[in-house]
Amino acid sequence: GAGVSQSPSNKVTEKGKDVELRCDPISGHTALYWYRQSLGQGLEFLIYFQGNSAPDKSGLPSDRFSAERTGGSVSTLTIQRTQQEDSAVYLCASSLDRELAGGQETQYFGPGTRLLVL
Amino acid sequence: AQSVAQPEDQVNVAEGNPLTVKCTYSVSGNPYLFWYVQYPNRGLQFLLKYITGDNLVKGSYGFEAEFNKSQTSFHLKKPSALVSDSALYFCAVPTGGGNKLTFGTGTQLKVEL
Repeated sequence: GAGVSQSPSNKVTEKGKDVELRCDPISGHTALYWYRQSLGQGLEFLIYFQGNSAPDKSGLPSDRFSAERTGGSVSTLTIQRTQQEDSAVYLCASSLDRELAGGQETQYFGPGTRLLVL
Repeated sequence: AQSVAQPEDQVNVAEGNPLTVKCTYSVSGNPYLFWYVQYPNRGLQFLLKYITGDNLVKGSYGFEAEFNKSQTSFHLKKPSALVSDSALYFCAVPTGGGNKLTFGTGTQLKVEL
């Protein structure tokens, strides 16, 4: 079946502009995650959704970052007033229900959105 | 805090030779451990995971990993490397009550003819 999809695949923006990144999880996966991959910081967790709620936002680096999920499916990560340090690959993943699983469920990743802030 | 470490930034191996990519863990209780692979300009692909049971876990593309509790290791192995195995490999552990994965720093595997 279809995997996790993300759009756009590449985004170039100017410092100070807002950007929206989209993630379509695997059908039936109730859990959704955003991560960021950058040269200096490696792979970092940003936010976790269970259904439409986000019980763990601990990885969002500043209040310029926000995310939402609607209909228990598509998620959008928004970065306001982008800065050059926001340049990175943003990865989305989804998994089956994580509640009570204690981390056993496999996360499946999308191809990522490569963001470049000029 | 739960964490994993990958002590080697890069591993070079000749095609046809066995390969090992190392990962050690620091986890309280019974660990869940994962291996992912990333090809250039691609997302992460799941290879295998250890939950419980047999210490030797078999995964995709002929890879396997051995869970060793006494050495707190979960090394990734393949009996015969292919040039197409050249990629970036990450081990990972669930943290935050299982709500997220914490990754190692990654190991670049280069398989040469």
